[in-house]
Amino acid sequence: AQSVSQHNHHVILSEAASLELGCNYSYGGTVNLFWYVQYPGQHLQLLLKYFSGDPLVKGIKGFEAEFIKSKFSFNLRKPSVQWSDTAEYFCAVVSGTYKYIFGTGTRLKVLA
Amino acid sequence: GAVVSQHPSRVICKSGTSVKIECRSLDFQATTMFWYRQFPKQSLMLMATSNEGSKATYEQGVEKDKFLINHASLTLSTLTVTSAHPEDSSFYICSATQVRDHSYEQYFGPGTRLTVT
Repeated sequence: AQSVSQHNHHVILSEAASLELGCNYSYGGTVNLFWYVQYPGQHLQLLLKYFSGDPLVKGIKGFEAEFIKSKFSFNLRKPSVQWSDTAEYFCAVVSGTYKYIFGTGTRLKVLA
Repeated sequence: GAVVSQHPSRVICKSGTSVKIECRSLDFQATTMFWYRQFPKQSLMLMATSNEGSKATYEQGVEKDKFLINHASLTLSTLTVTSAHPEDSSFYICSATQVRDHSYEQYFGPGTRLTVT
């Protein structure tokens, strides 16, 4: 069965620290990949997505992610986090059926 | 563009009653809508997938008679929680995909918090 793993469940960083959140999936075919953010009390917002082309994807708010097909990974990065990045981050994979498979989420807390 | 709304945002109901939650795509036509359930501090669990004009497809373990889904038009899907019980209290989120969007991106609604007393 397809699955998505986010190994970091809770991450605490100080402002200006660099961020990398892991996302690995188990599916050998063509995939589309997404990162969503959920700020406290708000709905899911798309940070970035990979559909095809350049495996380094840039999203909103300074986030980027790199699709490494050989590693089945789509890690999210940000060079310098801000307090306002405190939120929960979800990786999602879809493989041709419109049905997302979500990771378990990573709760990020940024200390001011 | 691609805005999805849900109504109501919060609802409190008594045990045994039914609650209807609406999901609308405001500025696009949605071929497919999805209903998720999110427990506190957990990920989204897909409950069902609905296509306009056809019966919803439910995920394993989701009771179709309890969670009635209707997708009557390309802009509206409803989830009715029938005979609600306290264990049905949760955050329900819908999402929608656009017609002919081959990236499969889903646009999420703001969610409905259901509390059953």
